[in-house]
Amino acid sequence: NAGVTQTPKFRVLKTGQSMTLLCAQDMNHEYMYWYRQDPGMGLRLIHYSVGEGTTAKGEVPDGYNVSRLKKQNFLLGLESAAPSQTSVYFCASSYSMLTVDGYTFGSGTRLTVV
Amino acid sequence: TQLLEQSPQFLSIQEGENLTVYCNSSSVFSSLQWYRQEPGEGPVLLVTVVTGGEVKKLKRLTFQFGDARKDSSLHITAAQPGDTGLYLCAGTSGTYKYIFGTGTRLKVLA
Repeated sequence: NAGVTQTPKFRVLKTGQSMTLLCAQDMNHEYMYWYRQDPGMGLRLIHYSVGEGTTAKGEVPDGYNVSRLKKQNFLLGLESAAPSQTSVYFCASSYSMLTVDGYTFGSGTRLTVV
Repeated sequence: TQLLEQSPQFLSIQEGENLTVYCNSSSVFSSLQWYRQEPGEGPVLLVTVVTGGEVKKLKRLTFQFGDARKDSSLHITAAQPGDTGLYLCAGTSGTYKYIFGTGTRLKVLA
């Protein structure tokens, strides 16, 4: 199915370990986003990209890095995982940031840091 | 500061009942969108409302955008277990980036 694909779906990390979350979209969208979703906090924007080779900080960027080397892929990295980064991570994409077409989301990555 | 407040936070109803959830802000939004998120999945766009006073219907779901474009409501008629999920409103206001509301978690019991 067309859309946004995230891998992995689940992951458990030990404190201090690193990992990369992968996101791929096949809709030729310029904009891509990484969100985290926590109970009672809603969806919070971590980083976003307005096109290939660009990245920008969102609301909660600390402890994360991103890269967009190809238009269809957006990678989220955790260099030294902390328990506070336990969350569900969603990747999304859109034609533009202020779009009336909405965002297309992946199915999420559930990350637990112990 | 949360620009989009949703109420109620939680709602548990019996199949066949009607319900309304609200999305409120003190800011004017150029458009508002409603998403539904099922357990273990990402949010899926249901509708976009753009014009103040606009009403859109999607089968048993009715969406309304307030005249002043500061609030929106979602009404579900004769709720079914398949309507269970987290309902999120989202939109852009002024210089703020696209933001999501706090969500309403709906459970429809058979």
